Amino acid sequence: DTAVSQTPKYLVTQMGNDKSIKCEQNLGHDTMYWYKQDSKKFLKIMFSYNNKELIINETVPNRFSPKSPDKAHLNLHINSLELGDSAVYFCASSQGLAGGYNEQFFGPGTRLTVL
Amino acid sequence: GQQLNQSPQSMFIQEGEDVSMNCTSSSIFNTWLWYKQDPGEGPVLLIALYKAGELTSNGRLTAQFGITRKDSFLNISASIPSDVGIYFCAGQQYGNKLVFGAGTILRVKS
Repeated sequence: DTAVSQTPKYLVTQMGNDKSIKCEQNLGHDTMYWYKQDSKKFLKIMFSYNNKELIINETVPNRFSPKSPDKAHLNLHINSLELGDSAVYFCASSQGLAGGYNEQFFGPGTRLTVL
Repeated sequence: GQQLNQSPQSMFIQEGEDVSMNCTSSSIFNTWLWYKQDPGEGPVLLIALYKAGELTSNGRLTAQFGITRKDSFLNISASIPSDVGIYFCAGQQYGNKLVFGAGTILRVKS
């Protein structure tokens, strides 16, 4: 069974379009994250949600809007796509925030290409 | 923002050789982590380090958390072809936030 799944795997679209990436986890975790990996493989956190509440919101353009309908899902909607948005986007999940480190489990990634 | 300096950027080694990579930071982290990313996949946790000075092994992998909490190294002994991939160090901050290094690309000649 896939623990953290993302759809679509690949997304090719024109500049200016609006698109969404979906993420689901079946691990029973209550915290989910979105990361962006650029062409140089650098991974940077964008958002995290705990029990559907936004916890981390890094300096990300407000064209990016995460939505968490329930604890098992965290979707990423991107408005007015720009060339610089081309990257691989990873979803991750973990159990809780309290105490020490809680292992984050990553999805397979969504490769977004903006033309 | 926060950055971890990871080196080397890439390595091309012979199968059977030992590998060493490291990360340094100007900031202190609660936890240091080492992840591996295979092509077309997400990162997978290899080793987590919680205490300053801690030395932890996972099979052929050994990692240490620096005594100052600002650095860590990862060693891979007797490399095999499936060790190929990108290795990332990461430091944990508040709210389970991870800051990643730039990665070390490992290629193995068989």
